[in-house]
Amino acid sequence: DVKVTQSSRYLVKRTGEKVFLECVQDMDHENMFWYRQDPGLGLRLIYFSYDVKMKEKGDIPEGYSVSREKKERFSLILESASTNQTSMYLCASVTVGYGYTFGSGTRLTVV
Amino acid sequence: GQQLNQSPQSMFIQEGEDVSMNCTSSSIFNTWLWYKQDPGEGPVLLIALYKAGELTSNGRLTAQFGITRKDSFLNISASIPSDVGIYFCAGRETSGSRLTFGEGTQLTVNP
Repeated sequence: DVKVTQSSRYLVKRTGEKVFLECVQDMDHENMFWYRQDPGLGLRLIYFSYDVKMKEKGDIPEGYSVSREKKERFSLILESASTNQTSMYLCASVTVGYGYTFGSGTRLTVV
Repeated sequence: GQQLNQSPQSMFIQEGEDVSMNCTSSSIFNTWLWYKQDPGEGPVLLIALYKAGELTSNGRLTAQFGITRKDSFLNISASIPSDVGIYFCAGRETSGSRLTFGEGTQLTVNP
């Protein structure tokens, strides 16, 4: 089975901090995604990547950046965390034509 | 970005009852997927549908790819308490990898 591992289940950060959320997949998938999930708003796509060093903006990229230096790792970066970025963050990977495999999520609280 | 219309938003049922939820889109999809998310976890793929009219079962779950390619439904028969969670539909418009998600159906099963 594909495994998608998110490095932290829970994080608490202070406003203004730089925050790194890490995601690693073990199945050589080309495509990786970062979503945030908020009550009543469903899953919203932040960024995605279809190859190493490639990235595309999703629907809500403002305040975020990403890094994909190796195929198995896709990092989400909050340059200066704000309270409105408190959310559940989900990473997913997929090979073309199939369903996503999600990680267990990182619940980030910015205080 | 486009959202799928998923209904109902929430359901409160008694153990043993059958459940039905559906998604509609203004666009034609070539793939429909159904996910379940347990509290505090990432979504897990339940059923994938790849052809219009396709009807697929996974235990007590049955899903269909609408013949218009703009809708899909998920049925759960004889619900049990562990069916509790959020159910998401997702669709893919083209042969690429990006999915569009519904806003989810929150299912509560009373024992």
